[in-house]
Parts: sequence; structure tokens; C-alpha cells
Amino acid sequence: DIQMTQSPASLSASLGETVSIECLASEDIYSYLAWYQQKPGKSPQLLIYAANRLQDGVPSRFSGSGSGTQYSLKISGMQPEDEGDYFCLQGSKFPLTFGSGTKLEIK
Amino acid sequence: QVKLLQSGAALVKPGDSVKMSCKASGYTFTDYIIHWVKQSHGKSLEWIGYINPYSGGTNYNEKFKSKATLTVDKSSSTAYMEFSRLTSEDSAIYYCARSNYYSSFYVMDAWGQGASVTVSS
Repeated sequence: DIQMTQSPASLSASLGETVSIECLASEDIYSYLAWYQQKPGKSPQLLIYAANRLQDGVPSRFSGSGSGTQYSLKISGMQPEDEGDYFCLQGSKFPLTFGSGTKLEIK
Repeated sequence: QVKLLQSGAALVKPGDSVKMSCKASGYTFTDYIIHWVKQSHGKSLEWIGYINPYSGGTNYNEKFKSKATLTVDKSSSTAYMEFSRLTSEDSAIYYCARSNYYSSFYVMDAWGQGASVTVSS
């Protein structure tokens, strides 16, 4: 199975700060990478797919980049509603596998 | 709008089975595959498998192959997952989610609200 190593596990950011979350795949996943946001008690919401394509309705302060085995999610200008957990998901090979998650809080 | 409405919470005994449902609305049910995902300990996510409502075809994570059975009822636009021989390790929240098999099969763009399963004697 492809292992997705996500970092950091937790992160505090001030309002307006730019934050980055990383996912490292155990092998090349050819940009078959999605990012999700999950708020407490809610289901995950799709933010980014194909490594860098913004899902409809997602604010433009979210962006994704990367290739090969290294991918990142950037939030340009932290907002209060961005607090939550973030996960990456690889879709290159079955079984689909998720990163372990990053908890993002307001400082 | 697109909705996936899951069945409610379940409290089951060790060794029992549980069958949960995921009713789709707001789109053509057979145009999208349905995934099932397990979330344990309030954090980590595991992909269980998917079913293609059009063909009935399935793809399981090997880890869950002897544990989960995925089915659909096209007439009611409902997907089901049965989890058998439950243990405390199966206590979790289970989500259904849809994706477009042909364009981006791994991109789950709509999720159910989740169904909590607690296994306890």
C-alpha cells in the first residue's frame, strides 16, 4: 500500500498568516492527490484535487502544489473558518490511502 | 442539491453484524460510484472500498475484504454496507461518499453525514 506521511500533525496560525501542510507519498502518485478539510462533528469537504485543482466553491486562498512524491496545501491568509483537520488522499493505486491528518488552530 | 443521507447510529454487540445505508439524491445515482470510509479515534481515515451502482462491480481494500459487503438498490438510489463479525476495533464513524468513476474516481466530492457504530457488550 502507498503510505502518505503528512506533516505537521498540528499547527497554530495567526489570522492572516500563510500556512502550509505537506504530504509525502511512499512512491510516485502522479498528482493523483486530493486535500480535504474536516470540521468537528462534520464530514470531510473536498478542497483540492489532481494536486492543484481547486474544487468549485472553495476560496482561492487555498492552493495545492507538488508532483511525484511531494505535495503541499497552502492557505494564504488564515481565516477563523479555516480551523479544522486537513487530510490528503492518494488515488494513484488501490487501496486509496489517506494521510494521518493535520489539526489547524488559530493562535 | 447533491445529498447522501446515511442511517443513524448503531450500538451492536461483539460478533454481530450491522448494515448501514446511504441514500443518494440530487443526481443520477448510477453516474457515480459510492465509496465507504472508516474514521477511527476521531482522526484517521481508511478507505474500505467502492461499489459502482451501474454495474454492481466492487473494489475492496484487502484489509476489509472479509469484513465488509457492499451492495446497492438502484430502485431507491441507496447504497448499503454490511459489516460482519464486529469487534471493538470496528467502533468508528463510517462515511459514504461519491466520485465520478470515469473522470476522477478517487475524488470524493460529496459525503454523507457519517454513521457512528459502537461495538460493546
